[in-house]
Amino acid sequence: RKEVEQDPGPFNVPEGATVAFNCTYSNSASQSFFWYRQDCRKEPKLLMSVYSSGNEDGRFTAQLNRASQYISLLIRDSKLSDSATYLCVVTTNTGGFKTIFGAGTRLFVKA
Amino acid sequence: DGGITQSPKYLFRKEGQNVTLSCEQNLNHDAMYWYRQDPGQGLRLIYYSQIVNDFQKGDIAEGYSVSREKKESFPLTVTSAQKNPTAFYLCASRSRHLDEQYFGPGTRLTVT
Repeated sequence: RKEVEQDPGPFNVPEGATVAFNCTYSNSASQSFFWYRQDCRKEPKLLMSVYSSGNEDGRFTAQLNRASQYISLLIRDSKLSDSATYLCVVTTNTGGFKTIFGAGTRLFVKA
Repeated sequence: DGGITQSPKYLFRKEGQNVTLSCEQNLNHDAMYWYRQDPGQGLRLIYYSQIVNDFQKGDIAEGYSVSREKKESFPLTVTSAQKNPTAFYLCASRSRHLDEQYFGPGTRLTVT
């Protein structure tokens, strides 16, 4: 089982749609959680951190469920510019600090 | 203007040649990382360094070497022993006070 697993995608949605990304992690001792965005042929960029209380940044909402070891990202009113790959990222500190990147889920938003 | 720089953006080499990719950061971050990304694939960790003069192998270190003589710099050498070196190489850094990593713009290496 992979340490961080994401929906394989790709997701194809029309502009204005709501799209949800899911991610599960295997290490219950994981300590920090993030969503990154990677545009085609570019570097990953931090989109937002994820907290148990949930956090929202404009059209983006991230949630963490520690009991289920599950992370989500919701994009509302999707725009063409949201087209990218979304990476789920988890850190652990058991036996040394480690950052684990999910394989990513590709999103295509169409006009 | 703080950030991570990688140079060059594109690099072309002949098979059998060693090549060194540059990574510099002025964020005063202690930890630095090198990743490789192949088309349509996720990130794979090559090497990382938590402090100056110390580094550890990642998941795919064979055929690569690094040095960390200065806090700001973490160059990666792709040696002729690397069987399939053509890829997108990403450098990242992290503050020891925070868990998130920040990436440079990457170097796209093509070996023919």
